[in-house]
Amino acid sequence: GAVVSQHPSRVICKSGTSVKIECRSLDFQATTMFWYRQFPKQSLMLMATSNEGSKATYEQGVEKDKFLINHASLTLSTLTVTSAHPEDSSFYICSARESGSSTEAFFGQGTRLTVV
Amino acid sequence: RKEVEQDPGPFNVPEGATVAFNCTYSNSASQSFFWYRQDCRKEPKLLMSVYSSGNEDGRFTAQVDKSSKYISLFIRDSQPSDSATYLCEFAQGAQKLVFGQGTRLTINP
Repeated sequence: GAVVSQHPSRVICKSGTSVKIECRSLDFQATTMFWYRQFPKQSLMLMATSNEGSKATYEQGVEKDKFLINHASLTLSTLTVTSAHPEDSSFYICSARESGSSTEAFFGQGTRLTVV
Repeated sequence: RKEVEQDPGPFNVPEGATVAFNCTYSNSASQSFFWYRQDCRKEPKLLMSVYSSGNEDGRFTAQVDKSSKYISLFIRDSQPSDSATYLCEFAQGAQKLVFGQGTRLTINP
């Protein structure tokens, strides 16, 4: 089945620094990718929808200047957490669906971000 | 009204019981339906697609009722290894995926 690779799987950074998370579709093209955040014992929360070649669509309450999304190719989307603070510590997961397909979404392995 | 409504649980049931999950959706444009399983600190993984005629895979059965706009997942003879969070997903074309908030399930031996 299709594979989505997310990197890094775990990152610890200092408060005030920026962290970039990559999401790659390895064997299919994804016009659209999705970024989620999940706090402990809580559900997945959609942050934004990443569109190849255009601006991302952010969910209400998600700061676009803090969570920068770039979807420069059909196989790569990146999420940059800028000026990270401890409250940004969370599990970030991307997902992608093959362009033009009605099949299920495939998830990356997730990135556990800890801001100290 | 939320696009997807899913009871967050938690559900705590004894081993061997039958478990039922439901998700309701509001958008009639929803075309594809799926159930995912998420283990603690892991990414969600596809459990079952939900076909219009319903489908069954071992102890798991999935159904959709488009007139009432809900999908169901049943787990028969539940096992402790079934303990996880179960999420429903609705797809509207390739551009929009909507997930339920997930239901936490614990099967007690």
